[in-house]
Amino acid sequence: SQKIEQNSEALNIQEGKTATLTCNYTNYSPAYLQWYRQDPGRGPVFLLLIRENEKEKRKERLKVTFDTTLKQSLFHITASQPADSATYLCALPRNTGGFKTIFGAGTRLFVKA
Amino acid sequence: ETGVTQTPRHLVMGMTNKKSLKCEQHLGHNAMYWYKQSAKKPLELMFVYNFKEQTENNSVPSRFSPECPNSSHLFLHLHTLQPEDSALYLCASSQEDSYTQYFGPGTRLTVL
Repeated sequence: SQKIEQNSEALNIQEGKTATLTCNYTNYSPAYLQWYRQDPGRGPVFLLLIRENEKEKRKERLKVTFDTTLKQSLFHITASQPADSATYLCALPRNTGGFKTIFGAGTRLFVKA
Repeated sequence: ETGVTQTPRHLVMGMTNKKSLKCEQHLGHNAMYWYKQSAKKPLELMFVYNFKEQTENNSVPSRFSPECPNSSHLFLHLHTLQPEDSALYLCASSQEDSYTQYFGPGTRLTVL
């Protein structure tokens, strides 16, 4: 069955540094991959979608890469700020068709001032 | 904030109570979802509605009963819940042909 793996350990970085989060997946070849941000006690918020034919996508300080050979996506936040502290979820389309999505458990990011 | 609202934001109920969660989306979407999120676990899809019709029920216990009177409103009726049902319940919407989902703020449910 499809499996999404995100580092369950929290990532602690210093303000101004680049945060890099990893999403690995197995038993699937998705046509796209999404990243969402979730703050404590709140719903996830869509950030970026990258398609299989796009190696990299950027939005302001965010950059996502998608390596379909490694079955991995990297999510980078450059010049990180304390306000970037949140949980970041990786999401893939479900392989049973339709526009349904499965989510990873997320990685918690803490940016220290 | 997103165009998806949920009420109440917090709910504490006993195992014999009956309550309902409400979700409303103002985005003109035609698909709506209920998810359950327990601590340190991935989002679990519970129900999916497309154009008011239920298209998915992921083996959810019958003590959870969804209702979708129109494309903008979604309810989750709760009765005789168990303590393990305590979680964050999230509503989301999307266009039926889109991968991106828009979530509400969630209802934090505690079952005593």
